[in-house]
Amino acid sequence: AQSVAQPEDQVNVAEGNPLTVKCTYSVSGNPYLFWYVQYPNRGLQFLLKYITGDNLVKGSYGFEAEFNKSQTSFHLKKPSALVSDSALYFCAVRDDEGSGNTGKLIFGQGTTLQVKP
Amino acid sequence: KAGVTQTPRYLIKTRGQQVTLSCSPISGHRSVSWYQQTPGQGLQFLFEYFSETQRNKGNFPGRFSGRQFSNSRSEMNVSTLELGDSALYLCASTQKTSGGAHEQFFGPGTRLTVL
Repeated sequence: AQSVAQPEDQVNVAEGNPLTVKCTYSVSGNPYLFWYVQYPNRGLQFLLKYITGDNLVKGSYGFEAEFNKSQTSFHLKKPSALVSDSALYFCAVRDDEGSGNTGKLIFGQGTTLQVKP
Repeated sequence: KAGVTQTPRYLIKTRGQQVTLSCSPISGHRSVSWYQQTPGQGLQFLFEYFSETQRNKGNFPGRFSGRQFSNSRSEMNVSTLELGDSALYLCASTQKTSGGAHEQFFGPGTRLTVL
């Protein structure tokens, strides 16, 4: 079965420092990976996705993610954190088992990012 | 383009009642997926509709059902509500094409509280 894991419930970082939010995945075929962010009382906002191609994917709000096939990881990064980046971050993989090209995403448990001034 | 809209935003029901939630996707998007978000279980897939047909279903009891209309708007229904159904219900739409992996755009959610 396809799955993603976010090993950290919370990540704390000082404003201006680089941040990393970790994600590992387990899929049977090619992975289609996504990062979303959720602010309080809001839905999820798309940040970036990996389908194929360059291992470094650039996304919204200065975020990027590095796809590493050998380590089955897709960590989210940002060179310089902002207080406004504080939110709940979700890694997700598209579930391709069965019919393929589905609208079903499997989400990790989420990581709360706390950026302190 | 307007985003995904969900109505109502907040809902309070009592055990045993039923509820219907509505989702209007982004114009031109034909695929609508529903998710349940709870603190304990996280984000869980409920079902996906495409061209008025259910394409996928998650591991939820039959009390959870949905449908999609010809204009791609979707509704989900929960019958015989239980306390554990209290959750944020999120709807997402995507532009479905053959191949590729298109991101899903999420609505703000409906916060359902069952008393």
